[in-house]
Amino acid sequence: SQKIEQNSEALNIQEGKTATLTCNYTNYSPAYLQWYRQDPGRGPVFLLLIRENEKEKRKERLKVTFDTTLKQSLFHITASQPADSATYLCALLNNAGNMLTFGGGTRLMVKP
Amino acid sequence: NAGVMQNPRHLVRRRGQEARLRCSPMKGHSHVYWYRQLPEEGLKFMVYLQKENIIDESGMPKERFSAEFPKEGPSILRIQQVVRGDSAAYFCASSPYTAGADTQYFGPGTRLTVL
Repeated sequence: SQKIEQNSEALNIQEGKTATLTCNYTNYSPAYLQWYRQDPGRGPVFLLLIRENEKEKRKERLKVTFDTTLKQSLFHITASQPADSATYLCALLNNAGNMLTFGGGTRLMVKP
Repeated sequence: NAGVMQNPRHLVRRRGQEARLRCSPMKGHSHVYWYRQLPEEGLKFMVYLQKENIIDESGMPKERFSAEFPKEGPSILRIQQVVRGDSAAYFCASSPYTAGADTQYFGPGTRLTVL
């Protein structure tokens, strides 16, 4: 069955450091992968989309890599700030191409 | 351009009552998706609708749950005879094209509490 796995344990890092979150998937052949941010009590907010033919994508302090051989995406936040503290979700289009499936999310805590 | 709107934001129901959750997609979006998020769990897809049509309801429980997206007005997720296990956050998302072909924009969610 199709699975998306994100580290369920919270990631605690110091302000200014780079946070790296991992998303692994099995039994998917995704055309692209998306990353979302979710704050407590709020809906997810789209951050970045990376296509299968793109190895890396950047947006300000965010960087996403996509390795279709390893079936893995890495999400990096450089020069992290306490305001980056949130849960980060990765999402894949299912093989039928008609819905997004989300990973369980990883909570990031950036300490001042 | 207003974002996806959901109401009510919080809904309390007693067991056996009905819950109606409303979602108004972003202007120009004709595709609506409903997700459920249980405490400490990820988002789970429930149903995908276009105007007046249910495209995919594979994530929807077979009983008590129904969804519609009429030609006019918001999309409605209806839960009949609620039970405590229905307590969750229900999120609606919309997109202008077919599922996944574009980013899905999420609403703030409706938090349902069943007493």
